[in-house]
Amino acid sequence: DAKTTQPNSMESNEEEPVHLPCNHSTISGTDYIHWYRQLPSQGPEYVIHGLTSNVNNRMASLAIAEDRKSSTLILHRATLRDAAVYYCILRDEGTYKYIFGTGTRLKVLA
Amino acid sequence: DAGVIQSPRHEVTEMGQEVTLRCKPISGHDYLFWYRQTMMRGLELLIYFNNNVPIDDSGMPEDRFSAKMPNASFSTLKIQPSEPRDSAVYFCASSPRTAANYGYTFGSGTRLTVV
Repeated sequence: DAKTTQPNSMESNEEEPVHLPCNHSTISGTDYIHWYRQLPSQGPEYVIHGLTSNVNNRMASLAIAEDRKSSTLILHRATLRDAAVYYCILRDEGTYKYIFGTGTRLKVLA
Repeated sequence: DAGVIQSPRHEVTEMGQEVTLRCKPISGHDYLFWYRQTMMRGLELLIYFNNNVPIDDSGMPEDRFSAKMPNASFSTLKIQPSEPRDSAVYFCASSPRTAANYGYTFGSGTRLTVV
């Protein structure tokens, strides 16, 4: 399974945009990029996924580099409720498992 | 939709006792997954079902662990006998498919403490 690298922690001020980076230099052509987040005392929550093109949904945006070796999850206006651990995960069509890494712990400052 | 429902939320038991964790997946989801989360090992897949049939149980740590899915709306994970090293948060997740372009819905988990 291709691996991802994320910073251990990040901080952001409330109401400001947050850019969470993820490096995946060994990504293959069939790997989808998935993002989940885990709020305190909750299970992981699906955020967004993409293959090649940038993606937007009600929760966030996903910006994928042209060479697909990195991606960035964008929270447009961070709120205190966005404080969580964010996981960047690669999945290909042959994999039903999520291989969760250690993720990025996001702290949002009021 | 109530989401994936797990019970109990917290369980404290003594070593050697039997523990049963329960999960109700989202209606219409054909796939059900059991994960375990610990500080040391992170989130690990234990077993998954498709249409109530166990497909891959290679993540089940040992014979003390067993999982069943008697119908589409209910699954159990049983540990017998329990040991302190089984202490973890156990998550159930469901999905209508396992395609890589689809996400899973996780429950809130059961925090198990074996003393």
